[in-house]
Amino acid sequence: SQELEQSPQSLIVQEGKNLTINCTSSKTLYGLYWYKQKYGEGLIFLMMLQKGGEEKSHEKITAKLDEKKQQSSLHITASQPSHAGIYLCGADQGSNYKLTFGKGTLLTVNP
Amino acid sequence: EAGVAQSPRYKIIEKRQSVAFWCNPISGHATLYWYQQILGQGPKLLIQFQNNGVVDDSQLPKDRFSAERLKGVDSTLKIQPAKLEDSAVYLCASSFGTGNTEAFFGQGTRLTVV
Repeated sequence: SQELEQSPQSLIVQEGKNLTINCTSSKTLYGLYWYKQKYGEGLIFLMMLQKGGEEKSHEKITAKLDEKKQQSSLHITASQPSHAGIYLCGADQGSNYKLTFGKGTLLTVNP
Repeated sequence: EAGVAQSPRYKIIEKRQSVAFWCNPISGHATLYWYQQILGQGPKLLIQFQNNGVVDDSQLPKDRFSAERLKGVDSTLKIQPAKLEDSAVYLCASSFGTGNTEAFFGQGTRLTVV
């Protein structure tokens, strides 16, 4: 079974709308990472969360890690076409800093 | 600061042929990862090095895949012989490695096996 579940699998929004992507783990998260990927390219680091209840923001993107450290959400405010891409959550689930990834969420932002 | 460098960017080979990918991590990064990303899926860890030692290779198909990191710096990943299902993007990443620090990824090598 998939250790990291991301939802939704894909998302289409109108420019200017807010959206949320979720990442749920079956195990405690010792580190949770959000990355963005353009099709066929490498991953770009967005944010890292470690503490239960932690929240970080960068420009219009906010990520949170719940108190139990098993779920994270990524929220984009007033989306723009430049936000389009694949969003991946990666997690250290307590095994030698091994990073396990979810399947990703494909975000399309229509102008 | 230079990022993670990978080559080649693209490769097309026939099944049963061999292929090698090269990765040069960010200077000073002790941990190096190789991931396989099949279209529509998240990256899957193949092997993780700490300096020149293997930390995790549990998902590496060792009958056909091999990897080395000589001198604890750059690394090569080899497939011999390749199968159709090996078609994927192979991503290399590195991190400082002494705790929970972010991993930086290269652009990847897109492999097509025909």
